[in-house]
Amino acid sequence: EAGVTQFPSHSVIEKGQTVTLRCDPISGHDNLYWYRRVMGKEIKFLLHFVKESKQDESGMPNNRFLAERTGGTYSTLKVQPAELEDSGVYFCASSPLQRNYGYTFGSGTRLTVV
Amino acid sequence: AQKVTQAQTEISVVEKEDVTLDCVYETRDTTYYLFWYKQPPSGELVFLIRRNSFDEQNEISGRYSWNFQKSTSSFNFTITASQVVDSAVYFCALILDTGRRALTFGSGTRLQVQP
Repeated sequence: EAGVTQFPSHSVIEKGQTVTLRCDPISGHDNLYWYRRVMGKEIKFLLHFVKESKQDESGMPNNRFLAERTGGTYSTLKVQPAELEDSGVYFCASSPLQRNYGYTFGSGTRLTVV
Repeated sequence: AQKVTQAQTEISVVEKEDVTLDCVYETRDTTYYLFWYKQPPSGELVFLIRRNSFDEQNEISGRYSWNFQKSTSSFNFTITASQVVDSAVYFCALILDTGRRALTFGSGTRLQVQP
């Protein structure tokens, strides 16, 4: 089966610009998660979708970040306007609906804000 | 709140050496799961192991072994006879069995295996 796909793999943007990251989960996985690793620190949770609904967005840093999952399939994470501290690697993961913790992560999007 | 600490930021070994990556966690919950993930240079997070809090049996998978000790809140990972392909960043993570379904990660340990 295809894994979790994220694109772009790299993005370099200027401060103040907008960037949209995309995640395609494994087909049939109702749970979709976004995580972020900033500056070599720990990977931190951003939010969790169950199908198209936001189950938990407690990790979203501020209102410059907007995540959507229309139709319960792929998800987008938009940063607008981007700031320097948003640089990092953004990971997406998906898992089946049942609570079995079978997460599959994507390769991540490396975002650099200059 | 829960916390995962990986005190070793970077470890460098020579091929065929054994190496242990430390992971210490904090939680007040009695039911939780612990994970190890590997992030090779290609970037993806690769699942290595999941262990629940009621199973303290050590596990061995080929050259990999894991030592879970609830008494010291540790879940250490040992690679025996390391190889260059083991070079990666390794993350330890924790999730509670109730509440939010968010993994709490450590900051990772970068392992460099020199030929």
